[in-house]
Order: sequence, then structure tokens, then C-alpha cells
Amino acid sequence: KAGVTQTPRYLIKTRGQQVTLSCSPISGHRSVSWYQQTPGQGLQFLFEYFSETQRNKGNFPGRFSGRQFSNSRSEMNVSTLELGDSALYLCASRAGGPEAFFGQGTRLTVV
Amino acid sequence: AQKITQTQPGMFVQEKEAVTLDCTYDTSDPSYGLFWYKQPSSGEMIFLIYQGSYDQQNATEGRYSLNFQKARKSANLVISASQLGDSAMYFCAMIQRNYGQNFVFGPGTRLSVLP
Repeated sequence: KAGVTQTPRYLIKTRGQQVTLSCSPISGHRSVSWYQQTPGQGLQFLFEYFSETQRNKGNFPGRFSGRQFSNSRSEMNVSTLELGDSALYLCASRAGGPEAFFGQGTRLTVV
Repeated sequence: AQKITQTQPGMFVQEKEAVTLDCTYDTSDPSYGLFWYKQPSSGEMIFLIYQGSYDQQNATEGRYSLNFQKARKSANLVISASQLGDSAMYFCAMIQRNYGQNFVFGPGTRLSVLP
């Protein structure tokens, strides 16, 4: 059974650009959550999608958005990138119980 | 307030010895779950163990056990017989029924296993 797949693994973008990250959950998992990990702020919750609907949202500016498709794959978009957006972005999928399984993350560097 | 505290930024342990990683939490929600994740340098968060707030017994998963003390609001991870491959960051995390299913993470503890 394949795990959570995040693409791309690494990205370098310039300030002001926008970026889209992708997450394919474990087959059969309908919940996908996104987290940002930085050395200064640690791991912070961005948002959660379930059956194509945003179910929960963290305290991030509107430049951060996401969506989920009918096959449960999710994308996260960050517009007008800032240097502070440099981080490891982790995606987690859940079947319905409390356990969540994470992907390897996308490491975004903004220069 | 929802908060996870891990007071040990770094820990060292000799190979084959046991080690305890501390975690305390703060929540007013009576229904919550506590997790430990391992994050090696590759970045992936690896699920280790889960404890529900209503579980009567401490959770165990192979070499990992969770020392759950509800009254003290602590959920320490015990790793028995440490291996070199256990060297990684370890995160304690919590979900709460009344705050959605999103994790609140602690700052992490970096464990180094010495040969």
C-alpha cells in the first residue's frame, strides 16, 4: 500500500512568485491536512480538507490556500511568496480514526 | 489554552539503553489524543504511538511505550533498547475533539544514540 506522496520534494522560488504543492494521500483516506515546519515556529497547522471541503483552517494569511479533488488528492497554493515562507511543508492523510500518516514533505526555499 | 511542552531540546543515550522523552500538555477538552512522531533528517514524520484520553492502559508499540499520567497531564515516550537508527527528532502532538482533528505539536526533542 503506497504511502502519502508529496511533490515536488524540493522547490526554489523567488519572492513575489506563487507556488503550488501537491499531496496524494493513502488510498481510501479522505482527510488531508497541511502543516508548515520552520526552525523558528515549529510545526503549525495550515488547513484540513475532507471530501473536497475545507473542514478546518489554521492562523495563516489568505495567501495560503488549498483545495481537494474528488480523488482526495490535495494541492496547496502560496501566492506572493515571502522569504518567511521558506519551510518544510508536510501533508498528512487520515482514514477516519485519530492516526495520521505524513508524507516526506516539500522543502520550499524562497530567495 | 492548547499547548504541548517538551522541555528537553536534546538528549543523548547509549546504544541498547532505555531513554525517556518528556511531554506535558495543556487542554480543557476532556476528549483528546496524544501522539509521538519521529522525524529523521529526511523530513518524513513517522507515527510511533497513540494514546487516547479515555484509554485505561498505557499504549505500547514494540520498543515504544507511552507513560500516560492523566492527572499530571504528561505523556512521556519510553524507548527501550535504543538503536543507532533511533537518532532523530521526536515530536509529541495532541488532537482535541472540540478543536477539529488538527495536531498541536511540541517543539521536539533531538535524540542522539551513541555507539
